[in-house]
Amino acid sequence: GQNIDQPTEMTATEGAIVQINCTYQTSGFNGLFWYQQHAGEAPTFLSYNVLDGLEEKGRFSSFLSRSKGYSYLLLKELQMKDSASYLCAVRPISGNTPLVFGKGTRLSVIA
Amino acid sequence: DADVTQTPRNRITKTGKRIMLECSQTKGHDRMYWYRQDPGLGLRLIYYSFDVKDINKGEISDGYSVSRQAQAKFSLSLESAIPNQTALYFCATSDPGLAGGSNEQFFGPGTRLTVL
Repeated sequence: GQNIDQPTEMTATEGAIVQINCTYQTSGFNGLFWYQQHAGEAPTFLSYNVLDGLEEKGRFSSFLSRSKGYSYLLLKELQMKDSASYLCAVRPISGNTPLVFGKGTRLSVIA
Repeated sequence: DADVTQTPRNRITKTGKRIMLECSQTKGHDRMYWYRQDPGLGLRLIYYSFDVKDINKGEISDGYSVSRQAQAKFSLSLESAIPNQTALYFCATSDPGLAGGSNEQFFGPGTRLTVL
């Protein structure tokens, strides 16, 4: 079976740093994705991890530990426009399978 | 430019009606997917296709059917719509690409369907 867990909601202050965690238990593993989704809009790709470690892309970083079935998305210097849902997704096996999504974490950035 | 488009963007219909949602893409991707999104439930896979004429059921295919008659088009049908099919529907595409690549999924803008 596939199980992906992430917190339902988080609140953080403008200018601060926030970490959104994701844990997964899947039948296999071939990559973990983070997507951003503003309310009523399409998810957009943020990051991809397939090996252990940290991937940095501007204000956003994503970390993966395959042995722990754990990832986090780190958002620095938060801006109001970062208020959105953040979706963790796993590709369970090699490239021939669709992504399995967690339920998403709704982040609210407050002044 | 919109690489993945969906029509209609919004639709209100009545119980028992047949509804078709269309998805078109100009990305040249072989793989296409249909998801529905409900509050608190995240994105759930309905059907997916890896090539023309290839159709695979996802997690929640009951009450839905699909057609993939061209690489660029993947349509989703609700044969007899019911109120609990009220949701936001997303089409997505991906490219198998090179081994080790991310091959992320690209999403269309979504169709908001309401079944009364």
